[in-house]
Amino acid sequence: AQSVAQPEDQVNVAEGNPLTVKCTYSVSGNPYLFWYVQYPNRGLQFLLKYITGDNLVKGSYGFEAEFNKSQTSFHLKKPSALVSDSALYFCAVSRGGSYIPTFGRGTSLIVHP
Amino acid sequence: DTAVSQTPKYLVTQMGNDKSIKCEQNLGHDTMYWYKQDSKKFLKIMFSYNNKELIINETVPNRFSPKSPDKAHLNLHINSLELGDSAVYFCASSGGDGQPQHFGDGTRLSIL
Repeated sequence: AQSVAQPEDQVNVAEGNPLTVKCTYSVSGNPYLFWYVQYPNRGLQFLLKYITGDNLVKGSYGFEAEFNKSQTSFHLKKPSALVSDSALYFCAVSRGGSYIPTFGRGTSLIVHP
Repeated sequence: DTAVSQTPKYLVTQMGNDKSIKCEQNLGHDTMYWYKQDSKKFLKIMFSYNNKELIINETVPNRFSPKSPDKAHLNLHINSLELGDSAVYFCASSGGDGQPQHFGDGTRLSIL
């Protein structure tokens, strides 16, 4: 079985401040981890992934995520938030060799001007 | 050039009707999916289709059935629509193990 927890329904941050959106996971075997962003009335868009290698992964729009195996976490970060980053963010995990990902419940990021 | 396209974008219909949602991907991917997103934005996988292997989420009612005429298409057919079927349905595709999913922009289904 595999699962993802996004403990915060909503994260509020001021523009220009760093942001973190949290994600923890549970999976048997090696995890494949993903972050997606969803803007209103749009489908999910891929931001970044961790499969293997460097624990710090860089993705689109200046986002990055850090894989922490001991804490089974994959938090999404950005050094300086933009108002346009306001959206719904989903973390997802799958097991190596599986085509079926499990998504978290999503975290709404609100960046205040 | 849209990678994953769904039609229609909006679907308003009455209880008891049968409807279909079409999905096409031009990415050459082998795996396609259907998801349901409810009013709380929770994303639930309904089906996964890979090389003619269909994996069904056992919680999905058998009124829902995916149909794949070829590798680029995975349509969703729904029989006897119920009020609880109102949601946004997303189609997605993936290039394989460890590859990200590409989503369509969704079909907003409203049952009257």
